[in-house]
Amino acid sequence: EVQLVESGGGLVQPGGSLRLSCAVSGFTFRSYSMAWVRQAPGKGLEWVAHISQDGSQEESAASLKGRFIVSRDNARESLYLQMNSLRADDTAIYYCARWRGHQSEFDLWGQGTLVTVSS
Amino acid sequence: DIQMTQSPSSLSASVGDTVTITCRASQTIDIYLSWYQQKPGKAPKFLIYAASKLQSGVPSRFSGSGSGTDFSLTISNLQPEDFATYYCQQSYQMPTFGQGTKVEFK
Repeated sequence: EVQLVESGGGLVQPGGSLRLSCAVSGFTFRSYSMAWVRQAPGKGLEWVAHISQDGSQEESAASLKGRFIVSRDNARESLYLQMNSLRADDTAIYYCARWRGHQSEFDLWGQGTLVTVSS
Repeated sequence: DIQMTQSPSSLSASVGDTVTITCRASQTIDIYLSWYQQKPGKAPKFLIYAASKLQSGVPSRFSGSGSGTDFSLTISNLQPEDFATYYCQQSYQMPTFGQGTKVEFK
């Protein structure tokens, strides 16, 4: 069974940091690019970042201004999102998604993990 | 960034109806357009890629069309499980999503 399971969400104060993880099973993790997509409460979907199969190429949304860093560990079949200098408007459900690559789509999604930035 | 605009933002329909959702890109995106379905409290589900290609396992009552800047998702013979929010997404450049269209019971 294919599974993407996010963890690491929670309540964090403005200016703080948080690291999200996504554990993958059921497909060959190292063969796929991966991504993070977020959804603020009651809002639409927003692409956050993606990373290539071997981790050598990664990109993140310009609006994040370098505060978020995506990485992966193919040996552990895990995807990560390091989030720094968190702000209230980063409050969202963060989804891990399998990305079929450049000019492509997100074909598998995890259940999401909620990040709340508040004092 | 390429802006994606969906219309309508919401619509009311009945079981058995045919509904169409449109998605317009702020610049040409060829056919790099996907559609997703999201139910409350759930992750999005991938439906259609390359504007008109149905993902494996998705019922044939779903169909997509369009190219360039104008696209549409049509759901024929609407079923109870189809009431959800639908999002388009372009992948011509860095991914961006439409704001969503909520399909509600009439």
